[in-house]
Amino acid sequence: SQQGEEDPQALSIQEGENATMNCSYKTSINNLQWYRQNSGRGLVHLILIRSNEREKHSGRLRVTLDTSKKSSSLLITASRAADTASYFCATLVEADTGFQKLVFGTGTRLLVSP
Amino acid sequence: DAGVTQSPTHLIKTRGQQVTLRCSPKSGHDTVSWYQQALGQGPQFIFQYYEEEERQRGNFPDRFSGHQFPNYSSELNVNALLLGDSALYLCASSLPGFRYEQYFGPGTRLTVT
Repeated sequence: SQQGEEDPQALSIQEGENATMNCSYKTSINNLQWYRQNSGRGLVHLILIRSNEREKHSGRLRVTLDTSKKSSSLLITASRAADTASYFCATLVEADTGFQKLVFGTGTRLLVSP
Repeated sequence: DAGVTQSPTHLIKTRGQQVTLRCSPKSGHDTVSWYQQALGQGPQFIFQYYEEEERQRGNFPDRFSGHQFPNYSSELNVNALLLGDSALYLCASSLPGFRYEQYFGPGTRLTVT
């Protein structure tokens, strides 16, 4: 089963606009990671935020994490056509036994039109 | 520096057959994880290999098995293929565990007819 749920499922914007994607999850996490996937190919890691962090920036990307609400958001500023892709959040779930699992959400499909 | 490589790119098999997929990790990485991604869904964790042993496993049946070699490369084997096994199979390498970012390969598209 998938822990993360991205919202919206699809987003269509114009170049230059900002895009915001949200991720909600169910259980306690160690970290949360965002990935991008172009046209059903391999995923590219964008940013990792640890459970004790609230905000992180990387270039045009800004990620926030609210562990009390079990949610995260990814903001892409000044979007470009090349940002068109599917975006996934992934949460690191760690059990007391030491078992770890990286659980991906269902993804947001972003379309940026020129 | 070569990233994660996977072979083959595409594969078509018949129901009931067996398949082996291969993965070479990024240089410097010793941990390999495998994921199954059905169309329109997020990747689902199959298992993770470190030091040639399966360390973590997701909710996949025993028909899914793997192996890691001394050079850290890995294989994913699926026996008795079902139509529902049709998916993109992704390999990711990293430093040990999941506390670090995963570097993904381009995937192998498996179609079971």
